[in-house]
Amino acid sequence: SQTIHQWPATLVQPVGSPLSLECTVEGTSNPNLYWYRQAAGRGLQLLFYSVGIGQISSEVPQNLSASRPQDRQFILSSKKLLLSDSGFYHCAWRKSYNSPLHFGNGTRLTVT
Amino acid sequence: DQQVKQNSPSLSVQEGRISILNCDYTNSMFDYFLWYKKYPAEGPTFLISISSIKDKNEDGRFTVFLNKSAKHLSLHIVPSQPGDSAVYFCAASRRSGGSNYKLTFGKGTLLTVNP
Repeated sequence: SQTIHQWPATLVQPVGSPLSLECTVEGTSNPNLYWYRQAAGRGLQLLFYSVGIGQISSEVPQNLSASRPQDRQFILSSKKLLLSDSGFYHCAWRKSYNSPLHFGNGTRLTVT
Repeated sequence: DQQVKQNSPSLSVQEGRISILNCDYTNSMFDYFLWYKKYPAEGPTFLISISSIKDKNEDGRFTVFLNKSAKHLSLHIVPSQPGDSAVYFCAASRRSGGSNYKLTFGKGTLLTVNP
């Protein structure tokens, strides 16, 4: 069966510090991978998606970036965090457009 | 531009009664719709989906209805249980326009089922 791992579970970082969140998927190949953010009182906002190694599409201009160095690995990064980057970050995967999206447990990021 | 809208931020229902969660969308190109449930400090979990070629899909206590002409879908939970208390997200996806892989979510509705 397929599983998705996301770490760390919680993170407290000062403004201006870098960020690296990692996500890996097991039990499938060539998944579509996604990073979503849920800010306080808001819905799930798509940040990045990837349909293959090295292929990244960005949805929202911001100080975040994403990379996919391996087929089942997706990384969310920032060089300098802003206060507004606080929120819940969820990695997700699915096999095709008409299959459900499966989420990891998320990372709660607090920027202080 | 919010393409998927859940206009009720919260809903409170008595245990054993029906819960009806509503969702509206504006993009007529959407052809695949899903409902997710989210508990605090956890990732959203998939509940049920429906393709635009259908108008109803059932899975146990959960039924999703799709009205394409009204661009409206709803999730019915019968009977509601206290463990159903969570935030419910509606989501939609489309094939065309180079956006095959995006799932657009609503802001969610907090369902509280009272014992």
